[in-house]
Amino acid sequence: DTAVSQTPKYLVTQMGNDKSIKCEQNLGHDTMYWYKQDSKKFLKIMFSYNNKELIINETVPNRFSPKSPDKAHLNLHINSLELGDSAVYFCASSRGTSGGNTEQFFGPGTRLTVL
Amino acid sequence: SQQGEEDPQALSIQEGENATMNCSYKTSINNLQWYRQNSGRGLVHLILIRSNEREKHSGRLRVTLDTSKKSSSLLITASRAADTASYFCATASYGNNRLAFGKGNQVVVIP
Repeated sequence: DTAVSQTPKYLVTQMGNDKSIKCEQNLGHDTMYWYKQDSKKFLKIMFSYNNKELIINETVPNRFSPKSPDKAHLNLHINSLELGDSAVYFCASSRGTSGGNTEQFFGPGTRLTVL
Repeated sequence: SQQGEEDPQALSIQEGENATMNCSYKTSINNLQWYRQNSGRGLVHLILIRSNEREKHSGRLRVTLDTSKKSSSLLITASRAADTASYFCATASYGNNRLAFGKGNQVVVIP
C-alpha cells in the first residue's frame, strides 16, 4: 500500500551506460515530478507531468528523458551517464494541476552512483 | 537566486527542548510548505501555510509566516529523538506550478 514507489532504490553503474528509474503512485494524483537531490541535499525540480503531459522541463541535459505511460507512472531514462549525474532522484506526486498549491508526496528515492 | 533559505543549517538539542528554524524567501508567494526528510528517506509534508495566514499549528508543530519580511519559522515543541531529520521549506509563487526548495536544516535531538 505504498503511496509513491520507486525502483530501484540503489543504482550503481559505469560512466557511459544508459539506465532507467521507475516511479508509480497509487494515490490517484494527476501530477508527477522528478527531483534531483545533490550531495549537499539541495533539491531541484527536473520534470513534471500532468495527466501524461509534460508541464515542467527545467534546464536538464537532453540525456534525461522522462516518460509517462499513464498518469500513475513516470519513468526517468538517462543516457550516457556521467559522474555528475550521481545523486538521489526523487519521484513525487500531487493532486490537481498546479504543483505549488498542494502538498507533494515523495517516493523513497533512488541513489544513483556513477563510477 | 534561490527561494527558501533556511537558517540555521544545523541544530543540536536535547530531547524535550524546543527547536526553531527559519526560512527566508525573495519573491511573493502563494504558499509556503515545510517538509521533513529522515536519513535515507523521501520528504514528508508537514504543513502548508498560505500567504493570507500568519500562523498554523499541527500537533507539536507551529509555523509562522511574515510576508512583509518574507520569512517563515518552524517550531517543534517538546522535541523527541524521532524528530531528528532534515527540515526543508518550499515556496510556491503565484502562477508558478512548482515548489522551490531551500537548502534544509539538519536537526539532531539527543535522547
